[in-house]
Amino acid sequence: QQPVQSPQAVILREGEDAVINCSSSKALYSVHWYRQKHGEAPVFLMILLKGGEQKGHEKISASFNEKKQQSSLYLTASQLSYSGTYFCGTGALDSNYKLTFGKGTLLTVNP
Amino acid sequence: NAGVTQTPKFQVLKTGQSMTLQCAQDMNHNSMYWYRQDPGMGLRLIYYSASEGTTDKGEVPNGYNVSRLNKREFSLRLESAAPSQTSVYFCATAFKEQFFGPGTRLTVL
Repeated sequence: QQPVQSPQAVILREGEDAVINCSSSKALYSVHWYRQKHGEAPVFLMILLKGGEQKGHEKISASFNEKKQQSSLYLTASQLSYSGTYFCGTGALDSNYKLTFGKGTLLTVNP
Repeated sequence: NAGVTQTPKFQVLKTGQSMTLQCAQDMNHNSMYWYRQDPGMGLRLIYYSASEGTTDKGEVPNGYNVSRLNKREFSLRLESAAPSQTSVYFCATAFKEQFFGPGTRLTVL
Protein backbone atom coordinates (compact mmCIF):
# COMPACT_ATOMS: atom_id res chain seq x y z
CA GLN A 1 0.00 0.00 0.00
CA GLN A 2 1.21 3.45 -0.93
CA PRO A 3 1.96 5.84 1.93
CA VAL A 4 -0.41 8.78 2.13
CA GLN A 5 1.02 12.26 1.65
CA SER A 6 -0.60 15.50 2.74
CA PRO A 7 -1.27 18.08 1.58
CA GLN A 8 -1.61 17.18 -2.10
CA ALA A 9 -0.57 20.67 -3.11
CA VAL A 10 0.64 23.83 -1.40
CA ILE A 11 1.38 27.34 -2.65
CA LEU A 12 3.83 29.55 -0.79
CA ARG A 13 5.36 32.96 -1.11
CA GLU A 14 9.14 33.13 -1.01
CA GLY A 15 10.35 33.04 2.59
CA GLU A 16 7.35 31.15 3.99
CA ASP A 17 7.56 27.73 5.65
CA ALA A 18 5.88 24.46 4.74
CA VAL A 19 5.41 21.01 6.23
CA ILE A 20 4.71 17.91 4.15
CA ASN A 21 3.49 14.78 5.86
CA CYS A 22 3.80 11.10 5.00
CA SER A 23 1.87 8.35 6.73
CA SER A 24 2.15 4.58 6.30
CA SER A 25 0.00 1.66 7.42
CA LYS A 26 3.09 -0.60 7.65
CA ALA A 27 5.84 -0.81 10.25
CA LEU A 28 8.73 1.10 8.77
CA TYR A 29 12.48 0.75 8.67
CA SER A 30 13.14 3.88 6.63
CA VAL A 31 11.58 6.97 5.12
CA HIS A 32 13.12 8.68 2.11
CA TRP A 33 12.26 12.10 0.70
CA TYR A 34 12.81 13.13 -2.92
CA ARG A 35 12.05 16.25 -4.96
CA GLN A 36 11.20 16.15 -8.63
CA LYS A 37 11.07 19.14 -10.95
CA HIS A 38 8.91 18.99 -14.05
CA GLY A 39 10.44 16.81 -16.75
CA GLU A 40 13.35 15.71 -14.57
CA ALA A 41 14.27 12.72 -12.43
CA PRO A 42 13.61 12.63 -8.68
CA VAL A 43 16.51 13.87 -6.58
CA PHE A 44 17.37 12.61 -3.10
CA LEU A 45 16.76 15.01 -0.19
CA MET A 46 16.70 13.07 3.06
CA ILE A 47 16.71 9.57 4.51
CA LEU A 48 15.56 8.72 8.02
CA LEU A 49 16.19 5.30 9.48
CA LYS A 50 14.68 3.39 12.38
CA GLY A 51 16.79 4.12 15.37
CA GLY A 52 17.35 7.76 14.57
CA GLU A 53 20.01 7.85 11.87
CA GLN A 54 19.50 10.63 9.34
CA LYS A 55 21.24 11.79 6.23
CA GLY A 56 20.31 14.72 4.08
CA HIS A 57 20.91 18.25 2.95
CA GLU A 58 21.71 21.14 5.27
CA LYS A 59 18.70 23.32 4.56
CA ILE A 60 16.08 20.60 4.87
CA SER A 61 14.97 18.84 8.01
CA ALA A 62 12.61 15.98 8.69
CA SER A 63 11.21 13.89 11.49
CA PHE A 64 10.35 10.20 11.71
CA ASN A 65 7.88 8.93 14.31
CA GLU A 66 8.46 5.17 14.27
CA LYS A 67 5.53 4.37 16.54
CA LYS A 68 3.04 6.32 14.43
CA GLN A 69 4.71 5.28 11.15
CA GLN A 70 4.77 8.91 10.07
CA SER A 71 7.32 11.33 8.75
CA SER A 72 7.25 15.07 8.12
CA LEU A 73 9.47 17.18 5.89
CA TYR A 74 10.12 20.75 7.00
CA LEU A 75 10.94 23.43 4.44
CA THR A 76 11.86 26.72 6.07
CA ALA A 77 12.39 30.12 4.49
CA SER A 78 11.35 28.71 1.12
CA GLN A 79 13.13 29.77 -2.05
CA LEU A 80 11.89 29.73 -5.64
CA SER A 81 14.14 26.71 -6.25
CA TYR A 82 12.11 24.67 -3.74
CA SER A 83 9.24 24.41 -6.23
CA GLY A 84 8.55 20.89 -7.43
CA THR A 85 6.81 17.68 -6.43
CA TYR A 86 7.93 16.06 -3.20
CA PHE A 87 7.67 12.30 -2.76
CA CYS A 88 8.13 10.20 0.31
CA GLY A 89 9.26 6.62 -0.12
CA THR A 90 8.86 4.14 2.69
CA GLY A 91 10.90 1.01 3.36
CA ALA A 92 9.09 -1.64 5.36
CA LEU A 93 10.77 -3.61 8.14
CA ASP A 94 10.60 -6.86 6.17
CA SER A 95 11.91 -5.42 2.88
CA ASN A 96 13.76 -2.22 3.61
CA TYR A 97 15.67 -2.12 0.33
CA LYS A 98 12.40 -1.83 -1.59
CA LEU A 99 10.61 1.53 -1.41
CA THR A 100 6.91 2.31 -1.83
CA PHE A 101 6.32 5.90 -2.90
CA GLY A 102 3.46 8.21 -2.11
CA LYS A 103 1.59 10.09 -4.83
CA GLY A 104 3.47 13.30 -4.19
CA THR A 105 2.91 16.85 -2.93
CA LEU A 106 3.14 19.67 -5.44
CA LEU A 107 4.88 22.68 -3.91
CA THR A 108 4.80 26.01 -5.70
CA VAL A 109 6.85 28.93 -4.40
CA ASN A 110 5.93 32.31 -5.84
CA PRO A 111 7.95 35.56 -5.63
CA ASN B 1 31.16 9.61 -13.34
CA ALA B 2 27.93 9.38 -15.33
CA GLY B 3 25.91 8.02 -12.38
CA VAL B 4 22.86 6.29 -13.87
CA THR B 5 22.26 6.35 -17.61
CA GLN B 6 19.20 5.22 -19.54
CA THR B 7 18.59 4.65 -23.23
CA PRO B 8 16.62 5.61 -25.16
CA LYS B 9 15.32 8.97 -23.86
CA PHE B 10 12.17 8.83 -25.97
CA GLN B 11 10.39 6.01 -27.80
CA VAL B 12 7.14 5.58 -29.70
CA LEU B 13 5.87 2.04 -30.25
CA LYS B 14 2.85 0.52 -31.91
CA THR B 15 0.68 -1.90 -29.95
CA GLY B 16 2.24 -5.36 -30.03
CA GLN B 17 5.80 -4.23 -30.71
CA SER B 18 8.61 -5.17 -28.34
CA MET B 19 11.51 -3.17 -26.99
CA THR B 20 14.19 -3.17 -24.32
CA LEU B 21 14.99 -0.23 -22.07
CA GLN B 22 18.62 -0.12 -21.04
CA CYS B 23 20.04 1.09 -17.73
CA ALA B 24 23.65 1.27 -16.59
CA GLN B 25 25.30 2.59 -13.45
CA ASP B 26 28.89 3.33 -12.52
CA MET B 27 28.25 3.79 -8.79
CA ASN B 28 29.18 0.20 -7.84
CA HIS B 29 25.82 -0.32 -6.13
CA ASN B 30 24.31 -3.76 -5.70
CA SER B 31 20.63 -2.72 -5.81
CA MET B 32 18.91 -1.60 -8.99
CA TYR B 33 15.26 -0.77 -9.70
CA TRP B 34 12.79 -0.09 -12.48
CA TYR B 35 9.87 2.28 -11.83
CA ARG B 36 7.09 3.68 -13.93
CA GLN B 37 5.60 7.09 -13.29
CA ASP B 38 2.11 8.04 -14.41
CA PRO B 39 0.39 11.38 -13.71
CA GLY B 40 -0.95 11.53 -10.17
CA MET B 41 0.31 8.05 -9.29
CA GLY B 42 3.81 8.67 -8.00
CA LEU B 43 6.53 6.12 -8.70
CA ARG B 44 5.51 2.48 -8.85
CA LEU B 45 8.04 -0.32 -8.67
CA ILE B 46 8.04 -2.74 -11.60
CA TYR B 47 11.02 -4.97 -10.79
CA TYR B 48 14.10 -4.75 -8.65
CA SER B 49 17.42 -6.53 -8.28
CA ALA B 50 19.06 -6.71 -4.87
CA SER B 51 22.31 -7.99 -6.37
CA GLU B 52 23.83 -9.36 -9.54
CA GLY B 53 22.01 -12.52 -10.58
CA THR B 54 18.82 -11.86 -8.62
CA THR B 55 15.59 -10.17 -9.64
CA ASP B 56 12.17 -9.91 -8.06
CA LYS B 57 8.75 -8.48 -8.84
CA GLY B 58 7.52 -5.16 -7.55
CA GLU B 59 4.01 -3.71 -7.46
CA VAL B 60 3.25 -3.69 -11.21
CA PRO B 61 5.31 -6.42 -12.99
CA ASN B 62 2.70 -7.64 -15.49
CA GLY B 63 3.77 -7.18 -19.10
CA TYR B 64 7.44 -6.68 -18.25
CA ASN B 65 10.58 -8.80 -17.92
CA VAL B 66 14.01 -7.84 -16.63
CA SER B 67 17.61 -8.97 -16.91
CA ARG B 68 20.41 -8.13 -14.51
CA LEU B 69 23.21 -8.63 -17.00
CA ASN B 70 26.02 -7.80 -14.57
CA LYS B 71 26.53 -5.47 -11.63
CA ARG B 72 26.36 -2.39 -13.86
CA GLU B 73 23.43 -3.16 -16.15
CA PHE B 74 19.73 -3.81 -15.58
CA SER B 75 17.39 -3.94 -18.58
CA LEU B 76 13.60 -3.84 -18.83
CA ARG B 77 11.81 -5.59 -21.69
CA LEU B 78 8.31 -5.09 -23.01
CA GLU B 79 7.47 -8.19 -25.03
CA SER B 80 4.19 -6.97 -26.52
CA ALA B 81 3.59 -3.30 -25.80
CA ALA B 82 0.11 -2.07 -24.87
CA PRO B 83 -1.25 1.51 -24.65
CA SER B 84 -1.51 1.05 -20.85
CA GLN B 85 2.29 0.90 -20.79
CA THR B 86 2.56 4.50 -21.99
CA SER B 87 4.52 6.07 -19.15
CA VAL B 88 7.82 7.52 -18.02
CA TYR B 89 10.23 4.81 -16.91
CA PHE B 90 12.97 5.46 -14.38
CA CYS B 91 15.86 3.24 -13.47
CA ALA B 92 17.47 3.72 -10.07
CA THR B 93 20.36 2.36 -8.10
CA ALA B 94 20.91 2.44 -4.36
CA PHE B 95 23.20 1.83 -1.48
CA LYS B 96 20.93 3.56 1.02
CA GLU B 97 19.41 6.49 -0.86
CA GLN B 98 18.28 5.95 -4.43
CA PHE B 99 19.83 7.66 -7.44
CA PHE B 100 17.63 7.93 -10.50
CA GLY B 101 18.46 7.95 -14.18
CA PRO B 102 17.04 10.67 -16.47
CA GLY B 103 14.07 8.54 -17.57
CA THR B 104 12.64 7.09 -20.78
CA ARG B 105 9.44 8.58 -22.11
CA LEU B 106 7.52 5.78 -23.83
CA THR B 107 4.35 6.18 -25.88
CA VAL B 108 2.46 3.14 -27.13
CA LEU B 109 -0.04 3.86 -29.89
